[in-house]
Amino acid sequence: QSALTQPASVSGSPGQSITISCTGTSSDIGGYNYVSWYQQHPGKAPKLMIYEVSNRPSGVSNRFSGSKSGNTASLTISGLQAEDEADYYCSSYTSSTTVVFGGGTRLTVL
Amino acid sequence: EVQLLESGGGLVQPGGSLRLSCAASGFTFSSYAMNWVRQAPGKGLEWVSAIVGSGGSTYYADSVKGRFTVSRDNSKNTLYLQMNSLRDEDTAVYYCAKGIVVAGRYYYYCMDVWGQGTTVTVSS
Repeated sequence: QSALTQPASVSGSPGQSITISCTGTSSDIGGYNYVSWYQQHPGKAPKLMIYEVSNRPSGVSNRFSGSKSGNTASLTISGLQAEDEADYYCSSYTSSTTVVFGGGTRLTVL
Repeated sequence: EVQLLESGGGLVQPGGSLRLSCAASGFTFSSYAMNWVRQAPGKGLEWVSAIVGSGGSTYYADSVKGRFTVSRDNSKNTLYLQMNSLRDEDTAVYYCAKGIVVAGRYYYYCMDVWGQGTTVTVSS
């Protein structure tokens, strides 16, 4: 199972919006609404930000939103803040009953 | 408070074995699927394995199938990962992560609580 494809890095200024893409296949993202997004600060454990494509767990800011079209999922962060600077990973359930992660995207807040 | 605490990491030679443990607290452990996810130094996340709440079904990444075994002891609220035939490329921080519940159904594909990780180094 190949990793999902994410851009290595994205950047934005405070207050702006950014979108991180995550591309898979019909065997993972395209086949199921089981896409998740995680935020990881350096040296810390990942934190769940989005589940089932577009749902936010309790306590996650509504500045974070998710969507999916075909084999590509997206995470949008609006009103960028300094604390949003982190690595972001997408993941998906697969037809092989496994879970696959994306390679990760480093978000820099300028 | 929901907590996961991994232990058992360390330095092991190629071909050796190690058993990781994850002690859970703050939730009904036996109801939830659990996962192991690893992260090699400077690299991204890699899903390793999952086990359903009853322990009756297990799932593995191709990279560890046949070498790693996931298990759980619900009486002790503890998750395990037995790692055999270790390779250099197994060097990573290993995280224990709790699966989610949505509308009363328990899933392993998404992880809402993570431990702090335990480091495994495979080297001669």
